[in-house]
Amino acid sequence: QVQLVQSGAEVKKPGSSVKVSCKASGGTFSSYAISWVRQAPGQGLEWMARIVPIVDIEQKFAQKFQDRVTITADRSTSTAYMELSSLTSEDTAVYYCARERSGRGSWAYNWFDPWGQGTLVTVSS
Amino acid sequence: QSVLTQPPSVSGAPGQRVTISCTGSSSNIGAGYDVHWYQQLPGTAPKVLIYGHINRPSGVPDRFSGSKSGTSASLAITGLQAEDEADYYCQSYDIRLSGWVFGGGTKVTVL
Repeated sequence: QVQLVQSGAEVKKPGSSVKVSCKASGGTFSSYAISWVRQAPGQGLEWMARIVPIVDIEQKFAQKFQDRVTITADRSTSTAYMELSSLTSEDTAVYYCARERSGRGSWAYNWFDPWGQGTLVTVSS
Repeated sequence: QSVLTQPPSVSGAPGQRVTISCTGSSSNIGAGYDVHWYQQLPGTAPKVLIYGHINRPSGVPDRFSGSKSGTSASLAITGLQAEDEADYYCQSYDIRLSGWVFGGGTKVTVL
């Protein structure tokens, strides 16, 4: 049973960066992809990026975040990381990591299960 | 403005049936990509309810069912219970955006 445990809440200044970690237990970390999804206060879900730890070069980004997000994975500690730079107040949100479950054929058919508990990132001067 | 459109809220009395629609377009649901549904209880992370339009993970009650037709999908909850009060989201892939998209979410209220 895969479980994902994320790092704690962060408060950041506008213009700075934040790095969120997501540690996996159970299962084989390298055998599945990890996605990052965020949720602004009172808002819906927004997919940001994905990484396949066994093939670090296999990364995909939502167009909106392409220039500001860096995702990495450390296979030795079964931990994925998401770093978001040039923060503004619009980036205040709960950030989730989630394991992808494989659908039929292409990764486009995947869904997310399970999810981490979420990390609240507050951007404020 | 979400790429997938859901009603902001639906409500029903205990025991009733409610449905939540998820309307997309020819670049996502209509292109044949799978639709998945999530339940998010207050203050918690989302949990998958339905994957691949119609499949329920083990542990999800059969009161929850999914369907898809054309550029839309639906989630039905039969025998509504107080514990079903939550936000529900649909998810699919959009070929124009080259990534996954979610609906704006629907809040289910049990009267």
